[in-house]
Amino acid sequence: SQQGEEDPQALSIQEGENATMNCSYKTSINNLQWYRQNSGRGLVHLILIRSNEREKHSGRLRVTLDTSKKSSSLLITASRAADTASYFCAGRWAGNNRKLIWGLGTSLAVNP
Amino acid sequence: SQTIHQWPATLVQPVGSPLSLECTVEGTSNPNLYWYRQAAGRGLQLLFYSVGIGQISSEVPQNLSASRPQDRQFILSSKKLLLSDSGFYLCAWSASDSNQPQHFGDGTRLSIL
Repeated sequence: SQQGEEDPQALSIQEGENATMNCSYKTSINNLQWYRQNSGRGLVHLILIRSNEREKHSGRLRVTLDTSKKSSSLLITASRAADTASYFCAGRWAGNNRKLIWGLGTSLAVNP
Repeated sequence: SQTIHQWPATLVQPVGSPLSLECTVEGTSNPNLYWYRQAAGRGLQLLFYSVGIGQISSEVPQNLSASRPQDRQFILSSKKLLLSDSGFYLCAWSASDSNQPQHFGDGTRLSIL
């Protein structure tokens, strides 16, 4: 299967703590994207990291990419209750760059 | 700015009835368009994508079909719905550049009775 995998499947933390989510994939990719989904809503793009980049920051988000290990991580610092959502990684497949290969997601609960 | 509209938000249909879900994009031209299905608590399954008018790629053989009659209109259809067609359907668009993200509609919750 080309599908990505994420761990943990679920994460529960206290407000102010950092949250780290990991993503692994099996195929070659051109870029790795992270998305957020609030319950019952569409997905919102958070950050994109290209295959020749190792780390990228956006506000409280930090993404790393290790193409040799085919893995990525998303760090959310100083979490807030409003960060409660599901987070998905998606790789832009090098074999067909019109398609994304999606992970199954991490459900994050930030407790106030 | 670009926007994507997907409707209806929820739909309850009997088994064997037809389906038509519509998605339109504004503020961009020649987008790539996508239909996904998401089962409860799961990731996204790509159903169809389109890179231009009348060009449809099917990812999963099933009783669903897609059409793109206009540049910024993408329609998901079925002639006879099955119970297994229940789920959360999401439409998305992206620019043709592979280093651009996808942008999603708010989804349609489809329940088959």
